Amino acid sequence: DAGVIQSPRHEVTEMGQEVTLRCKPISGHDYLFWYRQTMMRGLELLIYFNNNVPIDDSGMPEDRFSAKMPNASFSTLKIQPSEPRDSAVYFCASSQTTYGYTFGSGTRLTVV
Amino acid sequence: AQTVTQSQPEMSVQEAETVTLSCTYDTSESDYYLFWYKQPPSRQMILVIRQEAYKQQNATENRFSVNFQKAAKSFSLKISDSQLGDAAMYFCAYEEYGNKLVFGAGTILRVKS
Repeated sequence: DAGVIQSPRHEVTEMGQEVTLRCKPISGHDYLFWYRQTMMRGLELLIYFNNNVPIDDSGMPEDRFSAKMPNASFSTLKIQPSEPRDSAVYFCASSQTTYGYTFGSGTRLTVV
Repeated sequence: AQTVTQSQPEMSVQEAETVTLSCTYDTSESDYYLFWYKQPPSRQMILVIRQEAYKQQNATENRFSVNFQKAAKSFSLKISDSQLGDAAMYFCAYEEYGNKLVFGAGTILRVKS
């Protein structure tokens, strides 16, 4: 298996633009998580899905953030409009049981 | 909500020596899972070791082992025979209900040659 695949690896965008981050989980994993990592706040859970259904989105910071999982093999995290304070590394992770997550390599987002 | 505390922002170890990273957590649950993750400069998050709370035996993975003290809610990671490739940020994590992981703030480990 290729692992959890995230794209793009780096994204630089201007304030006010829409940003879409993509994630392909490991086949057979029924949980998918989006985390954000910053120096100030560490690793924060934004939202997670179970069997493609959003279970907990209480970590999504504002209405500017939205996430979807249209099928078991694809998820997106969208920020619209983006702001400089959204600059961070965004991780997608998937899991099957309580064995622990497999993380993607993350997307480093820079909003200028 | 559960919390995970890593009290050592940074640690150093000489190559081939042993180092222990500390982690404490807060929970009222009796059955749960704990993890250590490694994040090297490449930023990839790598699962190092996993512990099930109902198992008294401490988990071991090659040079990595844990000291799990359930009553004290302590979960430390011991790295034996440290190697340069062990240099990274290490995160302790607790699994909440719903398979959510709560992470500590991390400990930067530096390995000196």
